[in-house]
Amino acid sequence: GAGVSQSPSNKVTEKGKDVELRCDPISGHTALYWYRQSLGQGLEFLIYFQGNSAPDKSGLPSDRFSAERTGGSVSTLTIQRTQQEDSAVYLCASSPRAGLEQFFGPGTRLTVL
Amino acid sequence: RKEVEQDPGPFNVPEGATVAFNCTYSNSASQSFFWYRQDCRKEPKLLMSVYSSGNEDGRFTAQLNRASQYISLLIRDSKLSDSATYLCVVNHGSWGKLQFGAGTQVVVTP
Repeated sequence: GAGVSQSPSNKVTEKGKDVELRCDPISGHTALYWYRQSLGQGLEFLIYFQGNSAPDKSGLPSDRFSAERTGGSVSTLTIQRTQQEDSAVYLCASSPRAGLEQFFGPGTRLTVL
Repeated sequence: RKEVEQDPGPFNVPEGATVAFNCTYSNSASQSFFWYRQDCRKEPKLLMSVYSSGNEDGRFTAQLNRASQYISLLIRDSKLSDSATYLCVVNHGSWGKLQFGAGTQVVVTP
């Protein structure tokens, strides 16, 4: 069956530009998570959506970061005015419901020049 | 103190040998536990869920010790393909956020 998909797989942008990263979760999964991972580092939680509840944004590093989840399915992570320190792999995961196993997409590798 | 702590390794293991490593967690209310593996420059993949005292899946055995607040992963008859970073993951309760450890690196050598 189809797993979590993310697009683009790679994104190179210039400092100061805005970027949008997309995540398509597994069909029927109500929970969706965004993480980022810098080279050689662990996962850093960014934001979490569960059904129609208000998202948990506690991991977003600054107000330049925002995310939406439309219709309880597809999610978009937006980074405004990108900085070089935003360079990382951005991973999306979905889960049948909160607290259960998460299944990860292949990630988007973001490089800010 | 980190909520989920792992020995970063690396654990260098001869092919065919057994390796085991632990993960400690700080929240005694934690309810569910998982092991993921992550290959270099790839996404984490679920290896095992640990919902009770432990479980076994082929060459992999996970055990949970609630009294001492740790989970362990044991790999028997190590294969070269077992080389990866193993992530310990803990769920504290009804809230859906999972806490990821920083990972233990395992290197299986011929």
